[in-house]
Formats: sequence, structure tokens, C-alpha cells
Amino acid sequence: EIVLTQSPGTLSLSPGERATLSCRASQSVSSNYLAWYQQKPGQAPRLLITGASSRATGVPDRFRGSGSGTDFILTISRLEPEDFAVFYCQQYGSSPITFGQGTRLEIK
Amino acid sequence: QVKLEESGPRLVKPSQTLSLTCAVSGGSISSGDHYWSWIRQSPGKGLEWIGKIYYSGQTYSTPSLKSRVLMSVDTSKNQFSLKLHSVTAADTAVYYCAREGGDYDASGFYHYWGQGILVTVSS
Repeated sequence: EIVLTQSPGTLSLSPGERATLSCRASQSVSSNYLAWYQQKPGQAPRLLITGASSRATGVPDRFRGSGSGTDFILTISRLEPEDFAVFYCQQYGSSPITFGQGTRLEIK
Repeated sequence: QVKLEESGPRLVKPSQTLSLTCAVSGGSISSGDHYWSWIRQSPGKGLEWIGKIYYSGQTYSTPSLKSRVLMSVDTSKNQFSLKLHSVTAADTAVYYCAREGGDYDASGFYHYWGQGILVTVSS
């Protein structure tokens, strides 16, 4: 089973700043099948990125995914008030599918 | 637009069986284009993949739950179900059903989710 470790656990930033979230896999993610999600309280996760770097339909271009192999990054270029939430990475390159433990992005 | 909706008892006693159903609209399970999954989230915790099922009934489960999980599909009703046996308080969670893949890709990410149902295990 691939273990995904996200860092930092909590990130405190202000609107307009740049956010950088990390997801590290315990072994290489096949075909870079790595997705990112945003989750707000009381809601289901929202898909942001697939295949490590492809934005899902309707996702603003300030969200950018990058990386390959075992190291992946989600960058939010200029934080908007609605961006503050918990973010999860997920690998779907091998079974079982696994998720990271999440990074909480909070307003400073 | 694909929609999924979970239903089932919200309170289950320890050692009993948790049973949930996911009704699908806006898409057909029997098309065979996607797998259909269950994912859970314990209060204040992260996401845990439980397993997935294909329209044919083929299933895959995460190893830690495999011995207690039973999934089934009813294509005539366009719904799929989860049974989790011998539950304990550790199984208290929001349970989501979800469809693998997006509109043009059947890979194992999740674009479509149900709203989730909180199931509490308590006597």
C-alpha cells in the first residue's frame, strides 16, 4: 500500500499570498496518477487536479499541480477567501487507493 | 450531471452490520464505463477508501476492511450497496459513495460524490 504524507499539517496565510502544499509518496506513483481535492466543512471533497497536473473542469487556473514519481506539489498562486479549506492528495496508480492525511489551509 | 445519494440507518449498534445504499441518477451503472466506490471519513479525520464495485459485481476492497466488507450492485435500480459487518465505534464516520473517473476518463479519481451520510456506532 502506498502511504501519502502531506506537509505541512496546517498552513496559515493571508488572501493574496501564494500557498505551496506537498504530498510525498512512500513509493513511486504509477503513471503519476495523483489527484488533489479541496474539502470545506460539511461538504464532500471537490476534485481539483488529476494526473498530477491536469486541472479538473471549472477549477480556476490559480490552482496548479506539479511533480512526479514520489513528490508532488499543489500551488495556489494568489489565495482567494474561498480557497481556505482542507486539501487532500490521493493516488490511484495502484490498489488500494490511498489518501494523504490532509493539509489545513487557514486564514492568517 | 451524475448525482449520487447515500441512504441507510444513521445509528448502528456495536457488533451489528452497517448497511448503506447509493442511488445513482444521471448515469447508468450498467453502462460499464466506471467503477463505483465507497469512501469514509471519521470525525475530524482524513479520507479512507473502502472499496469499489463494477456493474458485473466484481469488487475490490482495502485490505484492512476486506474481511468485513460486502458490496453489491443492483443495475435494475441503478444503485449499489455496502455492508460492513461487526462494527465498532471506530467505524463511526461519514460514508460517501462516489464514481471513479470524470466525464471523459474512467481512472480512479473522484469527480462525482454523494453528499455523505454520518453513521454512528453506539449502543
